[in-house]
Amino acid sequence: QKEVEQNSGPLSVPEGAIASLNCTYSDRVSQSFFWYRQYSGKSPELIMSIYSNGDKEDGRFTAQLNKASQYVSLLIRDSQPSDSATYLCAVKSRSGNTGKLIFGQGTTLQVKP
Amino acid sequence: GAGVSQSPSNKVTEKGKDVELRCDPISGHTALYWYRQRLGQGLEFLIYFQGNSAPDKSGLPSDRFSAERTGESVSTLTIQRTQQEDSAVYLCASSLASLENEQFFGPGTRLTVL
Repeated sequence: QKEVEQNSGPLSVPEGAIASLNCTYSDRVSQSFFWYRQYSGKSPELIMSIYSNGDKEDGRFTAQLNKASQYVSLLIRDSQPSDSATYLCAVKSRSGNTGKLIFGQGTTLQVKP
Repeated sequence: GAGVSQSPSNKVTEKGKDVELRCDPISGHTALYWYRQRLGQGLEFLIYFQGNSAPDKSGLPSDRFSAERTGESVSTLTIQRTQQEDSAVYLCASSLASLENEQFFGPGTRLTVL
């Protein structure tokens, strides 16, 4: 089992729709969760972080965390063609006192005009 | 303020040569990380520096890979006797501290080993 799993996609949604991106993780002691957006040929850009169970909203983005189910998701409301990118889920574990992030393989999102 | 910077942006080298990649973290960031991203793949952790603590080298794939950081400033990642499988984008990130804070990435160095 991979430590962080994402559906590779592509996930295709029409412009204006809600895009829902999902991620599961295996390490129960994981404490910090991040979503990065990566455009083709570019480096990852941090868009959301979440540390507590529940929802966290920032503009059109909402991150949802359920530690009991070891599940984190990202909702993008009113999707725009400029949201088309690969979305990376990343998890930081407290075990070993290390700061490293474990990344999923990413989900490719296509927003069609 | 300035973000994380990396140099060179692109590096083409011949198999067997040594290469050195440089990372300048965001000013004031005490933690620095190196990751590798092969084409079409996710990011693989390589090494992590936090202040004057011993680095976490658990992600380095072989003894051909090494990294240094002086204090809380520049870091260099060195790959000796490069192999074709080393071809990837090498990404550097920094954060204020390691345990809770968000990591911000530089633009990366694309390494191609011929």
